Amino acid sequence: QSALTQPPSASGSPGQSVTISCTGTSSDVGGYNYVSWYQQHPGKAPKLMIYEVSKRPSGVPDRFSGSKSGNTASLTVSGLQAEDEADYYCSSYAGSNNFHVVFGGGTKLTVL
Amino acid sequence: QVQLVQSGAEVKKPGASVKVSCKASGYTFTSYGISWVRQAPGQGLEWMGWISAYNGNTNYAQKLQGRVTMTTDTSTSTAYMELRSLRSDDTAVYYCARQIGPPGIAVGTFDYWGQGTLVTVSS
Repeated sequence: QSALTQPPSASGSPGQSVTISCTGTSSDVGGYNYVSWYQQHPGKAPKLMIYEVSKRPSGVPDRFSGSKSGNTASLTVSGLQAEDEADYYCSSYAGSNNFHVVFGGGTKLTVL
Repeated sequence: QVQLVQSGAEVKKPGASVKVSCKASGYTFTSYGISWVRQAPGQGLEWMGWISAYNGNTNYAQKLQGRVTMTTDTSTSTAYMELRSLRSDDTAVYYCARQIGPPGIAVGTFDYWGQGTLVTVSS
């Protein structure tokens, strides 16, 4: 069982928007602004898409955006494209006592 | 360009140890920490721990304490992860990843990843 809870699947048609949630606790997501999102295509290494809740690394399309409210973070993909179909994982800092970094269980995004 | 190149796949018997390497290039090695993340077949990502390439300080995930050791060789810009007393549930792809963010802690922001090393534990 993962520390952060994500829906196992999400889907949308090309051009639509889809939002993926990532729910934790006040000890991780709610307690720090260190939520990241990763995209992983089959057989490939994860790719950083969002960090510190809403920042985009250079090269990541602005169709990807992140936000947080309380203990839940969200990744929104706007203007869905076929290449967005992948697994998405959230991560959060969880403090230095025990877990340090925790991941969500992942969400399979399907572009219909 | 930044690259992290990992060593090849390994097959180990239960109880054995494995040591995976991660050679960095394209940046100043000692300016960033390296985290190790693993992914069991068909499963999600699991953070294992991190090492500061600047001073060698480490922090390990609690569940792996006592079985994992992370080291670096700054002369070759290489990070290593050794896992001992291997069990079947250690079968996974192991990734090294460069971490960014505040110095001295791993906050889960990894901007470059190695290609992954499959470690299979089987009798």
